[in-house]
Formats: sequence, structure tokens, C-alpha cells
Amino acid sequence: AQSVTQLDSHVSVSEGTPVLLRCNYSSSYSPSLFWYVQHPNKGLQLLLKYTSAATLVKGINGFEAEFKKSETSFHLTKPSAHMSDAAEYFCVVSDRRNNDMRFGAGTRLTVKP
Amino acid sequence: NAGVTQTPKFQVLKTGQSMTLQCAQDMNHEYMSWYRQDPGMGLRLIHYSVGAGITDQGEVPNGYNVSRSTTEDFPLRLLSAAPSQTSVYFCASSLVKGGGATGELFFGEGSRLTVL
Repeated sequence: AQSVTQLDSHVSVSEGTPVLLRCNYSSSYSPSLFWYVQHPNKGLQLLLKYTSAATLVKGINGFEAEFKKSETSFHLTKPSAHMSDAAEYFCVVSDRRNNDMRFGAGTRLTVKP
Repeated sequence: NAGVTQTPKFQVLKTGQSMTLQCAQDMNHEYMSWYRQDPGMGLRLIHYSVGAGITDQGEVPNGYNVSRSTTEDFPLRLLSAAPSQTSVYFCASSLVKGGGATGELFFGEGSRLTVL
């Protein structure tokens, strides 16, 4: 069975500074990994995905994530935070054999002016 | 561009009451699912369906029923509401289970349920 751990429940950054949201996964099989974003009072939206091609994945709004198998990590980064990035972010692991998805607990990103 | 539509957005129930959360999608997706979101626990899968007439249990199915009579609709029924079912409920759909190779689930805006 697969699982995912988001290492920070809350991250606060200043506008214009880098963003790092950390995610570690556990999977007995080669996984697919995703980041979803949830803005206040909205549904979740796919930000980016890793499905075994390039290990550095680029997503929407300047976000990217790197799949590191040796560290079982899939951290989300952005060089410069914008006020509109304030949201909750979910790391998701999927078992490719049966497409079962497991969501992390979420990281709430706050961006200060 | 309706996408996934959930109703109602807010609901307050008393313990023991029943209700149905409605979910409809207009993207001709075969896969539909219900999640509940609780603080510090992320999203947990309640029930899902891979096509009309087919449903299956997810991670936390107890206290909930579903049916899938059409491709478009996937209602979630609470038979006898309990305070532990206070949560935000999300319906999600995709072409295939779990979003397939793209991993893209399309979510509704959520239904916030409070059980007193």
C-alpha cells in the first residue's frame, strides 16, 4: 500500500521569496505522483504530475517538483511567491497497478506582503 | 463550462436525519468519486464508481450509500447522520479511475455538512 507524508502543515513566506513544500511518499511499486492546489472555498485543481518521464516536472503558475527516488521525495518549489499562491496544497501518490490514490494531509501556504 | 456541480453547498442536520448530496458532471466521465476532507487528514475516499451501474467502497464507506444510474449523476446518501460525519464533501470525476495516466481528477466546489 502507498502513503504520502507532507512534512509541514503550514508554511509562511514573504511575497517574492522562494517556496518549498515538502512531500515524502511510500510505495511498494513505482508510483505516479501529483500536486493539487485548493484555493479557499474551491475544489482541488491539478498543479503538476510525475508519471515516469522527466524527474523534474513543471506545472502551472511557475511551480515545479522533482522526483527523487533515492529520497522517496517529491517536493514542490517556486522561485518567487505571489500573493495569489496562498492556498492549500496536497501531495498525492497513485499506485499504477490499480490507480488507487492517496492524498497527503495538506500544507497551507500563507504569503505575506 | 459547468464541469462538476455539487448541491447543496451548505447543510446543517440533526443527528439521525438523512440526506442526499447531489453530484453531476457534464464531461462524459466514466469515473466518479466522493471524498471527505477533514482538518489534518487530507482527502479520504468514501465511494467511487467506474461507470453506470457499478459502485465500490473506498477508504471510509461506513454510514454512506451511493448509486450510479446514469453517467452524469452520482449522489451520496447519509442514512442516519452522526456528528462524526461533519465534514466537507467533494465529488470528483475523471475519464478513468484515479485520473489514469494524467492523474487529473476534476473536483466540485464542495458541500459543507454540519451534524448537530
